[in-house]
Order: sequence, then C-alpha cells, then structure tokens
Amino acid sequence: DTGVSQNPRHKITKRGQNVTFRCDPISEHNRLYWYRQTLGQGPEFLTYFQNEAQLEKSRLLSDRFSAERPKGSFSTLEIQRTEQGDSAMYLCASFAGGRSSYNEQFFGPGTRLTVL
Amino acid sequence: GQQVMQIPQYQHVQEGEDFTTYCNSSTTLSNIQWYKQRPGGHPVFLIQLVKSGEVKKQKRLTFQFGEAKKNSSLHITATQTTDVGTYFCAGVSGTYKYIFGTGTRLKVLA
Repeated sequence: DTGVSQNPRHKITKRGQNVTFRCDPISEHNRLYWYRQTLGQGPEFLTYFQNEAQLEKSRLLSDRFSAERPKGSFSTLEIQRTEQGDSAMYLCASFAGGRSSYNEQFFGPGTRLTVL
Repeated sequence: GQQVMQIPQYQHVQEGEDFTTYCNSSTTLSNIQWYKQRPGGHPVFLIQLVKSGEVKKQKRLTFQFGEAKKNSSLHITATQTTDVGTYFCAGVSGTYKYIFGTGTRLKVLA
C-alpha cells in the first residue's frame, strides 16, 4: 500500500454514459498525476496538478476528459460519453515535488474501466 | 512529440542469468526514472537518475544514464524469480510531464 487510494477499483459502464473516478493522494504531496494504461503498454500521461492548479493536459486527451483537484487534495477524473476505446486502467500518482530533485511517484492501485 | 522506446519488448531468462533493458528518448531528458510493475499490480518506483553519465546500483540492479541524457539502461545480475515483471523507464524534459517507455516484460524460468 503506497498511501494513494483510488475509487472505484472497477467500473463497468455502457457506451455513452459518464463516469467519474476519484484519487486520494498522500496528504503532504502537492503534485498529482493521472495516467491511462492499456494492456501491454506503459502508462500514458493524461494530466497533472500542482496543488489545485492543472498545469498540463495531454494533447491526446479529447474534450470528453476533464479533471479537477479542488483545494489541492483529492482529485477526480471524469469521462463523458464513454466510448469502447476508453476501456483501460486509470492510474493516479502523487509525489512531494518542491525543491527536492527526488521525485518518486507513488501510484495508486488504479481504476479499471470497461466500456460495453 | 517526445517518445521513449524500450528494447527488448520481452525477455525470457533462466534463473541466474543476467538481464538488460535499454531505454531511448527522442529528446534530451532532465532526468529519468525506472519503475517495476508486477503482473496485476501498479508501477513501483525503483530509482531516479539526473546527471549525465550517472551510474547507480541497488543490490543486483545497476542503472545508467547516458552521457547525452537521451538513453538509459537497467541491468540485473543473476536474476531471481522475484525479478519477474515489466520494467518501465519514464523520462521528463523541461516540465514535470513524465513520458513512460513501452516497457520490457521479464520472465524468469526457474
């Protein structure tokens, strides 16, 4: 257990439905990342936050994806009008950031999304 | 855009043999991290390399960062069955956007 939690762990939805995932990072970590991972591939960067500010969002991400981190604590990732191609594991990672150059990312267990 | 490739994609070794995975970036990196992901698990941080030509060791694992900071390698000496998993490099250049490599899946045969 890395201290990063994600909910739900599994989500099955029908095409066209909206889904929302939650990530609770390690409390003192100010940076939070969202990644998507499909079978046999490495984690694909989606977006990241420093505190409550969303600093970068992948250009590969369509407008159906949105993420928030209110108050710089937990974060949510919403996918609107899901498509079968959205089926993947969605991973959240946090790290302390700051002046330290030691930017170990702590990953949560992920949310596995299946779009039928 | 920035791309990070790893070779080989798969590697099967007999227990006790050595293993090496190579990571190559299309752009110069600020730093590179290595992660291990066990089947069904999430990536777990192994190490971060920052300096050109840097070499770090963790027991049987040796990590290198190329002089041009565009490539890196992970070498495992005398593999054990506990080394099974997929090894990913993740590079960053400029911002804090980490680009993960394609991964090398290691199987160790007892």
